[in-house]
Amino acid sequence: DGGITQSPKYLFRKEGQNVTLSCEQNLNHDAMYWYRQDPGQGLRLIYYSQIVNDFQKGDIAEGYSVSREKKESFPLTVTSAQKNPTAFYLCASSGFSVYEQYFGPGTRLTVT
Amino acid sequence: ILNVEQSPQSLHVQEGDSTNFTCSFPSSNFYALHWYRWETAKSPEALFVMTLNGDEKKKGRISATLNTKEGYSYLYIKGSQPEDSATYLCASLNNNDMRFGAGTRLTVKP
Repeated sequence: DGGITQSPKYLFRKEGQNVTLSCEQNLNHDAMYWYRQDPGQGLRLIYYSQIVNDFQKGDIAEGYSVSREKKESFPLTVTSAQKNPTAFYLCASSGFSVYEQYFGPGTRLTVT
Repeated sequence: ILNVEQSPQSLHVQEGDSTNFTCSFPSSNFYALHWYRWETAKSPEALFVMTLNGDEKKKGRISATLNTKEGYSYLYIKGSQPEDSATYLCASLNNNDMRFGAGTRLTVKP
């Protein structure tokens, strides 16, 4: 089946540790995105990538890093510099433009 | 910064009730309005994409309208069923910049 997978579903980390969230797609989409959701707020864009080996900061990129070495994969690292890392993280992909995005099931990260 | 607002934040209805909720979005440089249905523990799924003022889309018991001049869209559910329980997200695409609302969480009680 074509789609987007994110792993793990739940992730727990101690404060001060970096953690990497996985996102893989087999839709042959060029563009991939990372969003963060907090209670009562809309999805906020962290990073996006429109092509392999290129990515751009979104609205809330501070404390996060990404890589796009393969078309299928867009991992997100939440670094210790991110002040409030506990959140729900959604990955998405789209064809040639941002017009229609397909989402993964998300990863809930809890940092204590 | 674009602002997409959805209301109400949450809604509880009885099975069989019809319901509707609102998405307001910036009308300047508007390109498209998306509605997504997001069930707990699943991925958001696209319901509708609308681009033209006056657009109406329908899928079964769910329909949506679009007013781009005043910057709002309505989502209607006729005869709600428990399986309609989900969060309904809207997203506005303005100038190649997509912004999401916080969603309306619908709970349909049997």
